[in-house]
Amino acid sequence: ILNVEQSPQSLHVQEGDSTNFTCSFPSSNFYALHWYRWETAKSPEALFVMTLNGDEKKKGRISATLNTKEGYSYLYIKGSQPEDSATYLCAFSGAGGTSYGKLTFGQGTILTVHP
Amino acid sequence: DTAVSQTPKYLVTQMGNDKSIKCEQNLGHDTMYWYKQDSKKFLKIMFSYNNKELIINETVPNRFSPKSPDKAHLNLHINSLELGDSAVYFCASSQEGQNFYGYTFGSGTRLTVV
Repeated sequence: ILNVEQSPQSLHVQEGDSTNFTCSFPSSNFYALHWYRWETAKSPEALFVMTLNGDEKKKGRISATLNTKEGYSYLYIKGSQPEDSATYLCAFSGAGGTSYGKLTFGQGTILTVHP
Repeated sequence: DTAVSQTPKYLVTQMGNDKSIKCEQNLGHDTMYWYKQDSKKFLKIMFSYNNKELIINETVPNRFSPKSPDKAHLNLHINSLELGDSAVYFCASSQEGQNFYGYTFGSGTRLTVV
């Protein structure tokens, strides 16, 4: 059974604060790590797909880093805005065997940005 | 123009009934998936098809049967519905390659079995 764990489960920040969350995943048989943003009543929207140890990706105020050797990824949001409020999901894809070709999702971090 | 569309959005039905959820993608992706959002809000893979061929079949009751008439469609048929089948079901598609940026999800189908 693959464990993908995210912390914290929920987070409340003030507008303008910078914040970050963690995703931990199995460090063996790694293929890719995905981040998704999921707003209430909408569908999950892909933010990043990272495959290489040391990868850093950025989209506007949101960035992510990847450490495959120790099995963690960080998502950073700089200068949070109320519209950043959403659930942020990470998902692990394995390189072979029974984990190949499927994403195992974490439970998500619920971010609320207060004006 | 919705990239991955699921119908219906809401489905309320009685125990024992048979129902289908349809999914269509207009992205030209080769791979489609069904995910179930469980009671703890986790998204769990159920099935995956690549070019109409079943490639992932997780441990789900055999009352659930996916059907892919072509690579743009992946339908989910559920026989003899049970109370525990109540959940939100998400369809998704993907196309791996140089510019792979992740899965594209449908908006979900909320199934309620009464």
